[in-house]
Amino acid sequence: AQKVTQAQTEISVVEKEDVTLDCVYETRDTTYYLFWYKQPPSGELVFLIRRNSFDEQNEISGRYSWNFQKSTSSFNFTITASQVVDSAVYFCALSETNFGNEKLTFGTGTRLTIIP
Amino acid sequence: DTGVSQDPRHKITKRGQNVTFRCDPISEHNRLYWYRQTLGQGPEFLTYFQNEAQLEKSRLLSDRFSAERPKGSFSTLEIQRTEQGDSAMYLCASTMGEVYEQFFGPGTRLTVL
Repeated sequence: AQKVTQAQTEISVVEKEDVTLDCVYETRDTTYYLFWYKQPPSGELVFLIRRNSFDEQNEISGRYSWNFQKSTSSFNFTITASQVVDSAVYFCALSETNFGNEKLTFGTGTRLTIIP
Repeated sequence: DTGVSQDPRHKITKRGQNVTFRCDPISEHNRLYWYRQTLGQGPEFLTYFQNEAQLEKSRLLSDRFSAERPKGSFSTLEIQRTEQGDSAMYLCASTMGEVYEQFFGPGTRLTVL
């Protein structure tokens, strides 16, 4: 069975600091997809990134970067020069593809608070 | 069409009552998902439609829950004989096909008294 673990329940950093959110996953599939979603106080989940299991290249998008390592089953998310608007709950999610439904299995989330 | 919409946004009901939620996906998205999110947890999969066909139901979906997607457009989720344990945020998501990102609606927050 697939599982996503986000061990960090809450993180607080001072504005402009860098912060890394950890995500560890379990799956028996060789083909799968990993996602990060942001849930701001308004509650609506916002898609951030999707990576497939065959692409281990790190990705950078502005202040956001993602480090995917199959050897450690991790897909960590780093925010550089954090801003108050980054305060939200962040979810890592996994989708296995062999059953054809692509349902998402989410972790429990990490609540990130950026202190001005 | 700017996104997935859900109605109502909030619902307060008494235990034992029936409730129905509606989800309107992004136009032309053929896949629609329902998730449930309780406080402090990540969303949990409930059920999924491809067009009008309901292809999978989670064991979380007891026989008091039923979902439909007539004509492959909007979807409804009905909970019969609500219990306090049904209190949660019910999220709907849609996507165009395999392994594309799922776009989520704002959710319906259900409170069962």
